[in-house]
Amino acid sequence: GQNIDQPTEMTATEGAIVQINCTYQTSGFNGLFWYQQHAGEAPTFLSYNVLDGLEEKGRFSSFLSRSKGYSYLLLKELQMKDSASYLCAVMDSNYQLIWGAGTKLIIKP
Amino acid sequence: ETGVTQTPRHLVMGMTNKKSLKCEQHLGHNAMYWYKQSAKKPLELMFVYSLEERVENNSVPSRFSPECPNSSHLFLHLHTLQPEDSALYLCASSQDGAGANVLTFGAGSRLTVL
Repeated sequence: GQNIDQPTEMTATEGAIVQINCTYQTSGFNGLFWYQQHAGEAPTFLSYNVLDGLEEKGRFSSFLSRSKGYSYLLLKELQMKDSASYLCAVMDSNYQLIWGAGTKLIIKP
Repeated sequence: ETGVTQTPRHLVMGMTNKKSLKCEQHLGHNAMYWYKQSAKKPLELMFVYSLEERVENNSVPSRFSPECPNSSHLFLHLHTLQPEDSALYLCASSQDGAGANVLTFGAGSRLTVL
C-alpha cells in the first residue's frame, strides 16, 4: 500500500533550526508538498518539490531525494509563530494526493 | 471575502439530525474537495468536484451527500451520522491543469456527533 511517514511531534527552541523528515512509499511520484496548519486554522501551502534538491524560501527550505523516497522541511531562526502542524503529501502516478498524519511542532522560548 | 470560506465553524448534532456544511471559494478555481481530518490521522479525501462534476467518491458512507451547484459553492449534507463521524471537515479548492495543483483550504467545520 501507499504510505507517508513523519514524526508525530517535535520540540525545538526559539531561534534554533529544526528539520522535519518525511519518507514515502507511493505508486509513482508526481511531486511532494508541505503544508502548515496552525491549530484551528486552514492548512496553508508551504512548498512543492518535484525534482531532487533543495528549494529555499526565506526561513523555510524543502529537500527532496526521489531515489530514497525522502524529503525534509528545514525551518531556520525559529519563531513562536512557527508552532503548528506540518503536513507532508505526495502526488502519486494517478495524481492522487497521499497524506502523512502531520508533525506537531512545539516551539519553546 | 477572499480565499475559501466554510460555515458553520462548529456544529453539534444528534445522530438523527440533518444538517449541511457550506463551502464557498472566491479564487476562480475549477475544482473543489471535501476532506475529513481526524486527530493524528492523515487527511482523508471524501469527494472531488471538477468543473462541477463529481470525479471521486472514496467509498464514503451514504450518510454524507455532497452537492456542487456551481464552481464557487460546495455543500456536504449530513444525516443519521455516527459518533465516529465527529471530526474536522475541510473544504479545499484548486485550479486543475495549473502545474502543481496547490490546494487552498478553508478553516474547516468542527463536527461533533452526540
